[in-house]
Amino acid sequence: AQKITQTQPGMFVQEKEAVTLDCTYDTSDPSYGLFWYKQPSSGEMIFLIYQGSYDQQNATEGRYSLNFQKARKSANLVISASQLGDSAMYFCAMREVNTGTASKLTFGTGTRLQVTL
Amino acid sequence: DTEVTQTPKHLVMGMTNKKSLKCEQHMGHRAMYWYKQKAKKPPELMFVYSYEKLSINESVPSRFSPECPNSSLLNLHLHALQPEDSALYLCASSQGSEAGGGVTQYFGPGTRLTVL
Repeated sequence: AQKITQTQPGMFVQEKEAVTLDCTYDTSDPSYGLFWYKQPSSGEMIFLIYQGSYDQQNATEGRYSLNFQKARKSANLVISASQLGDSAMYFCAMREVNTGTASKLTFGTGTRLQVTL
Repeated sequence: DTEVTQTPKHLVMGMTNKKSLKCEQHMGHRAMYWYKQKAKKPPELMFVYSYEKLSINESVPSRFSPECPNSSLLNLHLHALQPEDSALYLCASSQGSEAGGGVTQYFGPGTRLTVL
């Protein structure tokens, strides 16, 4: 069975600083996908970044980058130059492969990030 | 455009009511999902439709009934709910392609449901 672990229930970061949100995973599948989502207090889950298990390079999307260490089974999200609007809950998720054309996600418990002045 | 819309945004219903949640996407996605999310918890998958056919039912009670009238629409019919069913209900869609980002799920803003 797949498992995602986020060990930081809450994090604080000062505006304009970088922050790393931790995510470790466990799977026996050789092929998998890892995602990060942001959920503000409004409730919408916003897709941030995706990393495939066979991707050679770490994924980047603007201020977001994914520090993918396959041997350690970790997929940490790095947010550079934090902004007040980054304050939200962040979920790491992994896709189960054998679900055909649909993708079944396993979510971690989330990390609440608070950006301060 | 990665927009998924959901209506209504808020819903209050009694335990004897029948109501429906609606979800719509115009991205040409062929997989659609319903999730339930309780406060301070991650989303829990309820149902998955792939090419308009129900492909996954995560042992959801029959008081929740999904429907996919066409590839753009997904409904969740609610009947005889319990107060513990109060939650945020999220809809999502994905391309339905195995390749790379085709598996990415895009979520709607959710419906906050309160059952009295």
